[in-house]
Amino acid sequence: AQTVTQSQPEMSVQEAETVTLSCTYDTSENNYYLFWYKQPPSRQMILVIRQEAYKQQNATENRFSVNFQKAAKSFSLKISDSQLGDTAMYFCAFMKHDGGDQAGTALIFGKGTTLSVSS
Amino acid sequence: GAGVSQSPRYKVAKRGQDVALRCDPISGHVSLFWYQQALGQGPEFLTYFQNEAQLDKSGLPSDRFFAERPEGSVSTLKIQRTQQEDSAVYLCASSSGTSWNEQFFGPGTRLTVL
Repeated sequence: AQTVTQSQPEMSVQEAETVTLSCTYDTSENNYYLFWYKQPPSRQMILVIRQEAYKQQNATENRFSVNFQKAAKSFSLKISDSQLGDTAMYFCAFMKHDGGDQAGTALIFGKGTTLSVSS
Repeated sequence: GAGVSQSPRYKVAKRGQDVALRCDPISGHVSLFWYQQALGQGPEFLTYFQNEAQLDKSGLPSDRFFAERPEGSVSTLKIQRTQQEDSAVYLCASSSGTSWNEQFFGPGTRLTVL
């Protein structure tokens, strides 16, 4: 079975600073996807960034980037130039590659990290 | 375009009551997932539909939980004889079932069982 661990329940950062959220996972699968989701207070969960395990290059989406270390089973999220709107709960998630179109593959989530950005 | 919607957004039930939670997925999305998110925890998988077929219900915690999607669009999660441990946010997600299958989430229904 796969597990996802987020060891930082809460983090805080000032506007314009950089913050890194940690995530480790355990799996015996070789092919899989990793995700970071953002869940703002009382709002729905949205995808921030994703990484395919077979790609060595770390994914980047504007101010968000990941540090994917497959051997160490680590997948951290770096947020640069933090903004007040980044305040949210962040979830790391794992999806195994089912060899097909992934239509029925569920996400496995960590417990989340609450990020607070202050001015 | 319209995203995934869920209703009601909040539901308070007395222990022992039955509840029904509704999910309207994005139009045309063939895949639909239900997740349960306890307070301070990450979402946990409950069940999965491909069109009207329930292909995986391995995450349903007990036989009090039942889900259906009769016409392959709207889905309902029903909980019979609710108990306090059922209190959680119930999230619905849909995906097109193509490519790598990004799941789009609804705002959730917060269920409180007294």
